[in-house]
Amino acid sequence: DAGVTQSPTHLIKTRGQQVTLRCSPKSGHDTVSWYQQALGQGPQFIFQYYEEEERQRGNFPDRFSGHQFPNYSSELNVNALLLGDSALYLCASSLPSGTGELFFGEGSRLTVL
Amino acid sequence: GQSLEQPSEVTAVEGAIVQINCTYQTSGFYGLSWYQQHDGGAPTFLSYNALDGLEETGRFSSFLSRSDSYGYLLLQELQMKDSASYFCAGPLYNQGGKLIFGQGTELSVKP
Repeated sequence: DAGVTQSPTHLIKTRGQQVTLRCSPKSGHDTVSWYQQALGQGPQFIFQYYEEEERQRGNFPDRFSGHQFPNYSSELNVNALLLGDSALYLCASSLPSGTGELFFGEGSRLTVL
Repeated sequence: GQSLEQPSEVTAVEGAIVQINCTYQTSGFYGLSWYQQHDGGAPTFLSYNALDGLEETGRFSSFLSRSDSYGYLLLQELQMKDSASYFCAGPLYNQGGKLIFGQGTELSVKP
C-alpha cells in the first residue's frame, strides 16, 4: 500500500519564478492538505482539497494556489517566489472525518535564491 | 487567535521517561493530536485524544484535559531512535480537520 508520495524532493528556484509541487495521496484517501514548514517551526496550514475543491484555506496569499484532480492527486503552485517561500512543503492525505490523523509525505524542499 | 505552546527542547537519558507538555489558547479544538518528525522528514501520527483522559499506545501515552486546555505526550523506556521533534496539533471544529501545529519540541535522548 503506497503512502503519500511527493515530487520533486528538492528544487532550487530564483525570486520571481513559479513552482509546481505534486502529491499523490495514500490509497483510499480523498482529502489532501498542504502545509509549509520553515526550518525549526511547526507545519503551517496552506489549504485543503476535497472533491476537487478548495475546502479550507490558511493565512497564505493568493500567490499560493492549488488543484485536485479526479484521481485525488493534487498540485501546489506558488507564483512570484520570494526568498521567504523557502521551506519544506508537506502534503498530507486523510479521510474527511477530521479526526486529526493525517498521513504526510516526505515533502518537497524548496530553496529560493 | 489559535496557538499551541510547547517547550522547544527536552533532553533525557536512554531508558528514562519524558513528558512533553502542550497548552493551547483556543476553544476551537475538538481534540489534540501528536506527531513525530525525524530530521525534517515526514511527520508521522502518534496519537489523538478526542476526549479527556489518557490514551496509551505501546511506549507512548497521551493525555488531554479540555477544561485546562492542556495535554501531554509521555514517552517511556526511551530509546535513541526516539530522538526527534514532537508536535502537538489541534484539529479545528467545523473546518474539515484543518490542523494547527505547535512549534515543536526537540527531544534528545542521551546514552
